[in-house]
Amino acid sequence: NAGVTQTPKFQVLKTGQSMTLQCAQDMNHNSMYWYRQDPGMGLRLIYYSASEGTTDKGEVPNGYNVSRLNKREFSLRLESAAPSQTSVYFCATTPGTDQPQHFGDGTRLSIL
Amino acid sequence: LAKTTQPISMDSYEGQEVNITCSHNNIATNDYITWYQQFPSQGPRFIIQGYKTKVTNEVASLFIPADRKSSTLSLPRVSLSDTAVYYCLVGLGTNDYKLSFGAGTTVTVRA
Repeated sequence: NAGVTQTPKFQVLKTGQSMTLQCAQDMNHNSMYWYRQDPGMGLRLIYYSASEGTTDKGEVPNGYNVSRLNKREFSLRLESAAPSQTSVYFCATTPGTDQPQHFGDGTRLSIL
Repeated sequence: LAKTTQPISMDSYEGQEVNITCSHNNIATNDYITWYQQFPSQGPRFIIQGYKTKVTNEVASLFIPADRKSSTLSLPRVSLSDTAVYYCLVGLGTNDYKLSFGAGTTVTVRA
């Protein structure tokens, strides 16, 4: 998806390992978001960053940390991965609060 | 945070019109209504957004009654490639960052 790049696309971890998911956007958007999507379910908001320098919890923040490195980049960190965190993770951006979101193609994370 | 309710699934055939209704009884004055489409192994993609009455673009139409407690996404003359999950979101009003997607409506288009 042009504009929002997520890395890696796939990752397998062992329980207890740490991992950082990267998201970068080139659309000069102010707000960035991290979601998780479990099989057969919709997306649930983990954390968001309304603007550079600010972050806030979403619906399911436990077990995760985030860092808004600059306006372009928003990373999601799993400090001690658990099998319950096996999911597809999506990053999204939006220019402002009343604008639709633009999504990356996701990171598929499996934790054994 | 406005809660939405939409059907779990819908079936259709190529060339037909598909209408998906979303209920959002506690929509706030500042809330917009936004629809997304998601294909397998991809992120959601914006389809259409509206505030009231009717909005139309090259892909779909969005009908919103005067009370704004529901909305209907209309996909004209669907094709097999329209098979996807469709999400209705309500929010994006002032300072409303905490959006979450429901389970969506799985639309299956058959030949």
